[in-house]
Amino acid sequence: RKEVEQDPGPFNVPEGATVAFNCTYSNSASQSFFWYRQDCRKEPKLLMSVYSSGNEDGRFTAQLNRASQYISLLIRDSKLSDSATYLCVVKVDTGRRALTFGSGTRLQVQP
Amino acid sequence: DAGVIQSPRHEVTEMGQEVTLRCKPISGHDYLFWYRQTMMRGLELLIYFNNNVPIDDSGMPEDRFSAKMPNASFSTLKIQPSEPRDSAVYFCASSNYRGLFPTEQYFGPGTRLTVT
Repeated sequence: RKEVEQDPGPFNVPEGATVAFNCTYSNSASQSFFWYRQDCRKEPKLLMSVYSSGNEDGRFTAQLNRASQYISLLIRDSKLSDSATYLCVVKVDTGRRALTFGSGTRLQVQP
Repeated sequence: DAGVIQSPRHEVTEMGQEVTLRCKPISGHDYLFWYRQTMMRGLELLIYFNNNVPIDDSGMPEDRFSAKMPNASFSTLKIQPSEPRDSAVYFCASSNYRGLFPTEQYFGPGTRLTVT
């Protein structure tokens, strides 16, 4: 089983739609959680951190469910510019300083 | 502010040749990471350094791969000899930590390697 699993998609949605992605992680000792965004042929960039209480940044809402070991990303009023791959990222609570990246979920927002 | 700088941006080489990828992290960052990304395997961590010291190289696929960080502003990833299955995008990233928690990991633009 992969440490971080995501539905690869693609999710094809019309402009203005609300779309949600889930990501599951296997290690219950995981400590820090993030969503990164990667545009086609570009490098990954941090979209937002995910806090235990959930957090919102404009049209984006991230939530963490430790009991079920998943995190989610909700995008409201989607824009054409939201088209990208969204990577779920987890840091496990060990001495290791590395992040574990999911394979990503591709979103295509259509006019 | 300059971000993470990688060179070359594209590299095409023949099987058996030596390939050297270069990275300059963001000034002041004390962690440097090398990743490889392919369609099949996604983004894989190869090795990371803390204060120029290699900490975890368990992701390095085999002895053909080696990485060095001679100083805080420069790192190399070398493949010798290269093979077609090494074709991928190689990313370098740098970050800091606040205690146990990582700050944002900043990625370079990547080197697209094609081995024929």
